[in-house]
Amino acid sequence: GENVEQHPSTLSVQEGDSAVIKCTYSDSASNYFPWYKQELGKRPQLIIDIRSNVGEKKDQRIAVTLNKTAKHFSLHITETQPEDSAVYFCAATLVSGGYNKLIFGAGTRLAVHP
Amino acid sequence: ETGVTQTPRHLVMGMTNKKSLKCEQHLGHNAMYWYKQSAKKPLELMFVYSLEERVENNSVPSRFSPECPNSSHLFLHLHTLQPEDSALYLCASSPWSDEKLFFGSGTQLSVL
Repeated sequence: GENVEQHPSTLSVQEGDSAVIKCTYSDSASNYFPWYKQELGKRPQLIIDIRSNVGEKKDQRIAVTLNKTAKHFSLHITETQPEDSAVYFCAATLVSGGYNKLIFGAGTRLAVHP
Repeated sequence: ETGVTQTPRHLVMGMTNKKSLKCEQHLGHNAMYWYKQSAKKPLELMFVYSLEERVENNSVPSRFSPECPNSSHLFLHLHTLQPEDSALYLCASSPWSDEKLFFGSGTQLSVL
């Protein structure tokens, strides 16, 4: 089955700096890679996702890159702001049959200091 | 709000109690999921239902019993739990045509 490793477990940056979180996955058949943000006491919310036929995707200050050969993908946040402080989870899955079996990484606690 | 509603938000139960967690979505999604979120572990997939049929059961102990009576409702029945079962239980749903998972706010469960 799929296994997802996520690093680092904690990340502290100054406001305005960039933050990068990296994940590796084990199942080469996986074809969908979302990133979720979870603020304290709240539900995980999808912030960006990428499919295996795409190498990079951007949405304003966030971007995700995927290297299928190396089986790793990364989240990049530029110009970080205090409201970016949260736990970020990567996930991977093979989508088939109308449902998916997302396997999550352990999470990265990002702290953005003013 | 994602349109996925979980009740109760908080639950405290003894090891001999029986309780149920409820999840409801009116988004027209065909798949529903239970995840467990513990303090020091990744989000763990417990069960998946697609079109009201259980399609995944990730080696979850029998003291957790899911039920999906229709495509809008999902339950997790709890019986004879252990203190290590204390966690945040998250429900999610996804549409047939899209891989995106939409999570509820979760039920914070404490087993005494």
